[in-house]
Amino acid sequence: AQSVTQLGSHVSVSEGALVLLRCNYSSSVPPYLFWYVQYPNQGLQLLLKYTSAATLVKGINGFEAEFKKSETSFHLTKPSAHMSDAAEYFCAVSYNNNDMRFGAGTRLTVKP
Amino acid sequence: KAGVTQTPRYLIKTRGQQVTLSCSPISGHRSVSWYQQTPGQGLQFLFEYFSETQRNKGNFPGRFSGRQFSNSRSEMNVSTLELGDSALYLCASSLVAGDNNEQFFGPGTRLTVL
Repeated sequence: AQSVTQLGSHVSVSEGALVLLRCNYSSSVPPYLFWYVQYPNQGLQLLLKYTSAATLVKGINGFEAEFKKSETSFHLTKPSAHMSDAAEYFCAVSYNNNDMRFGAGTRLTVKP
Repeated sequence: KAGVTQTPRYLIKTRGQQVTLSCSPISGHRSVSWYQQTPGQGLQFLFEYFSETQRNKGNFPGRFSGRQFSNSRSEMNVSTLELGDSALYLCASSLVAGDNNEQFFGPGTRLTVL
């Protein structure tokens, strides 16, 4: 069954530092991969998605993710963290349906 | 264009009661999916509706049911509420079902079962 694993339930970085949130998927066929962000008391907002068009995907708010088939990974990065990036981030996988499976989430804290 | 709306935003019920949550998708979107979010289990897929038909269903008991109307609005019902049903219920809509269509999420309904 398809699933995603997010390594690290909590990540803390200093403002201006690199953000790296890890996501690995288990799949025998190429999936569709997504990163969502959730701010307190809000729904999920799509940051970016991988649909096999390009392995490096650029999203909103300066985030990007690289699909690495050999490593079954889809890690999310941002070169310089901003205070407003503090939120919970979810990696998700789906195939040819809307049955989206989410990782457990990673809470990002940004220190001033 | 208005986003996905969910009503009510907050709800308090007692064990054994039933509850109905409502979701209005973005105008023109025909697919609606429901998710349950809890601290312990994370985000879990409940079911998806497209053109008034349930297309996919997650691993939840029959107490959880839903439906979709001809205008694509969807309702989710939970009967015989249990304490463990306390969660944030998220609704997401997309243009069509399947493939890699982006899902747009509503703010959720926070259900507390006492």
